[in-house]
Amino acid sequence: AQSVSQHNHHVILSEAASLELGCNYSYGGTVNLFWYVQYPGQHLQLLLKYFSGDPLVKGIKGFEAEFIKSKFSFNLRKPSVQWSDTAEYFCAVNAADTGRRALTFGSGTRLQVQP
Amino acid sequence: DGGITQSPKYLFRKEGQNVTLSCEQNLNHDAMYWYRQDPGQGLRLIYYSQIVNDFQKGDIAEGYSVSREKKESFPLTVTSAQKNPTAFYLCASSIRTEWANVLTFGAGSRLTVL
Repeated sequence: AQSVSQHNHHVILSEAASLELGCNYSYGGTVNLFWYVQYPGQHLQLLLKYFSGDPLVKGIKGFEAEFIKSKFSFNLRKPSVQWSDTAEYFCAVNAADTGRRALTFGSGTRLQVQP
Repeated sequence: DGGITQSPKYLFRKEGQNVTLSCEQNLNHDAMYWYRQDPGQGLRLIYYSQIVNDFQKGDIAEGYSVSREKKESFPLTVTSAQKNPTAFYLCASSIRTEWANVLTFGAGSRLTVL
């Protein structure tokens, strides 16, 4: 069964600091990868996704993520965080050839950006 | 505006009672999903449906039931068999493709069992 690990449960940063949130998945075959974000009081929304092609994908609000197949990783990065990035971030994966047509999510990382 | 409507937003029930959470979408999406969100556990898949009159169990289906009689509706019943029903429930939908696609989420329903 596919699984997703997010090792950073709670991250506290100051504004302008760089961010990297880890995400590892367990499936060895072809995958689609996603990062979703949940801002306080708002719906979960898509931050970025990887389906194929360039392993470095860019999303909204200056976020990017790099798919490293050999490491089963899809880490999220942002060079300089803002207070408005305070949110909970979820990594998700869907694996082909498993018959499962739904995303598996990680446990989430709560990011707190201090002004 | 197209989107997903979940109701009620907050729900309180006594232990042993069944409750049904509503999820309606006007996005013309074929696929719909129910996830449960608990602190520190992320989102866990309860049930999903790719087309009308068909649905599949997710990772934590025990104690839950669903129906998909209409394309736009995917209600979730939390039965008395669910041992720990207090949680935040999220409904989502997507265009049906070979794989799971980008999900659009509703605002969620918070169920508290007293």
